[in-house]
Amino acid sequence: AQSVTQPDIHITVSEGASLELRCNYSYGATPYLFWYVQSPGQGLQLLLKYFSGDTLVQGIKGFEAEFKRSQSSFNLRKPSVHWSDAAEYFCAAGGGGNKLTFGTGTQLKVEL
Amino acid sequence: DAGITQSPRYKITETGRQVTLMCHQTWSHSYMFWYRQDLGHGLRLIYYSAAADITDKGEVPDGYVVSRSKTENFPLTLESATRSQTSVYFCASSEPGYEQYFGPGTRLTVT
Repeated sequence: AQSVTQPDIHITVSEGASLELRCNYSYGATPYLFWYVQSPGQGLQLLLKYFSGDTLVQGIKGFEAEFKRSQSSFNLRKPSVHWSDAAEYFCAAGGGGNKLTFGTGTQLKVEL
Repeated sequence: DAGITQSPRYKITETGRQVTLMCHQTWSHSYMFWYRQDLGHGLRLIYYSAAADITDKGEVPDGYVVSRSKTENFPLTLESATRSQTSVYFCASSEPGYEQYFGPGTRLTVT
């Protein structure tokens, strides 16, 4: 069965520190991969996506993610976190039919 | 306004009542989706539609009905609401092979 795992439910970082959110997937073939961010009371906003090609993808708000086929991972990174980055982050994977499977999310808290 | 909208944004209903959540998109995307978001479960797909008059079940379809007579609308109906259907519901749309765009969500409480 297809699945996406985000092993960290909560992460706390200090403002200005680096960030890495983990995501692992289990799919029959290399899926499309996405990271979304959700601020409280809001819908989901796309941060970045990987379809094929360069395994390091750049997104909005200074985020990047690296696809590692050997580890079935698609970790999200940011070199310096801002207080406004506090939100919930979702990794998602999709294949044919445009359906997405979401991880359970990682809640990011930023300490000032 | 361009984009994807959901109505109502908040709804309280009683057990056993029928309730319909509306979703409207202005991009003419062919695909539309309904998800529910619950603590500890992330987002789970309820139903999706590849085009007008084509719908299919997702991961958690029981207790829900959808229709899609027009490309831009994708209403979700709870025929007889139960407390377990208390959740936040998100609608999304996309073009084939592309990322999904999400609406702002509807917070539904079933008492």
